[in-house]
This record gives sequence, C-alpha cells and structure tokens, in this order.
Amino acid sequence: EAGVTQSPRYAVLQEGQAVSFWCDPISGHDTLYWYQQPRDQGPQLLVYFRDEAVIDNSQLPSDRFSAVRPKGTNSTLKIQSAKQGDTATYLCASSLGRGIAEQFFGPGTRLTVL
Amino acid sequence: GDSVTQTEGQVTVSESKSLIINCTYSATSIGYPNLFWYVRYPGEGLQLLLKVITAGQKGSSRGFEATYNKEATSFHLQKASVQESDSAVYYCAFIANSGTYQRFGTGTKLQVVP
Repeated sequence: EAGVTQSPRYAVLQEGQAVSFWCDPISGHDTLYWYQQPRDQGPQLLVYFRDEAVIDNSQLPSDRFSAVRPKGTNSTLKIQSAKQGDTATYLCASSLGRGIAEQFFGPGTRLTVL
Repeated sequence: GDSVTQTEGQVTVSESKSLIINCTYSATSIGYPNLFWYVRYPGEGLQLLLKVITAGQKGSSRGFEATYNKEATSFHLQKASVQESDSAVYYCAFIANSGTYQRFGTGTKLQVVP
C-alpha cells in the first residue's frame, strides 16, 4: 500500500512569492491534515478535511493561506504571498476517521523563504 | 488552551542504558484525553509509536512503554535498554476529551551512543 506522498520536497522563495504544496493521501482515507512544523518545534495543525469538507481551519492564516480538497482525495495548500516567518516544513497526514485514529504522515515539504 | 510540554529538547544515552522522556499535558476541557507518542527516524516520515486512550493504561511498542497518569497529567516514554537504532526524534501528542485534533509537543531528539 502506497503511503502519503507530497510534492515538492523542497521549495525556496523570495518574500512575496506564491507557492503550492500538493498531497496525495492513502487511498480510502477520509480525513486529511495539513501541519506546519517550524524548525525545532512540533507539528502545528493548519487545517483538516473530512472528505471534501473543511472541518477546522481556525489555525490557518486565511489572508495568505488557502487549502482545498475538491474531490475528497488529493489536496493542495497554497501560500499566496510568502513571508520569512513561513519558513518551515509542511506536513500532510491522512487517517481513516478523526480524533484518535492513527495518522499517516507524508515526508513533508521543506520551505525556505528568503 | 490545550498544550503539551516536553522538557528535554535533546537527550544522549549510552547504548543498553535506560531512557525516560518526559511529557505532560494541559487540557482545558474536563474528562480524560487520549495520548500518543510519535517517532521520526532519520530520513523517514513521522509515524505513530504507541497510543493510550484510557487513563491508567500502558501502551507499548518496539520495547518502549508509556503509562497514562491522569493525576500527574503525564505520559512519559520509557525504555529499559536503548539501542543505536532508537536514535530519532520523539513527539508526545494528545487529543482532549472534547477536542477534534491532536496537539503535538516540541519533540525530543534522542541520540544513542556506543
């Protein structure tokens, strides 16, 4: 069974540029999470979906970040105008069910904003 | 708000010695949360190590154990005899009784030396 895949693996931007991250969850997993992990910190939830619906995006900086999962499978996280403070690894995870269900993580995308 | 605390950012232990990594949580809602330990081995993605969903119970995996102590609000990770292959970053996480997503600690990097 294929795991969670993410692309790109690395991205380097200048401030003000836009970037998109793509995630392909494990087939059949209804729940998909996006996390931001700054260096030397733990993963911090940005947004999560059940199927195509956003369940919680309260931690997503809505002025510059957006996330979609239009068919309840793949998902895209976009940063409209990157800032240096966005430098972090962006992790995607999927699970069957929410809450205590085991999450399976992708390898992450390491973003550097200069 | 809800939070998880891991006090040690990095721990170095000699091979075959015992290990304890501390984790405490703070939840604003009543009731007992569900607790998790995740691990990221070098070059790999984050993965679930063990979880406990009932207060007072012990979870175990790969020689590691963690006991959910509801009075102390703790979920320390222990191993009696570590190996070099245990070198990794360990994250404590929990989901509050009324919560909908897991919150992660800052991680503890374990280095096992010969």
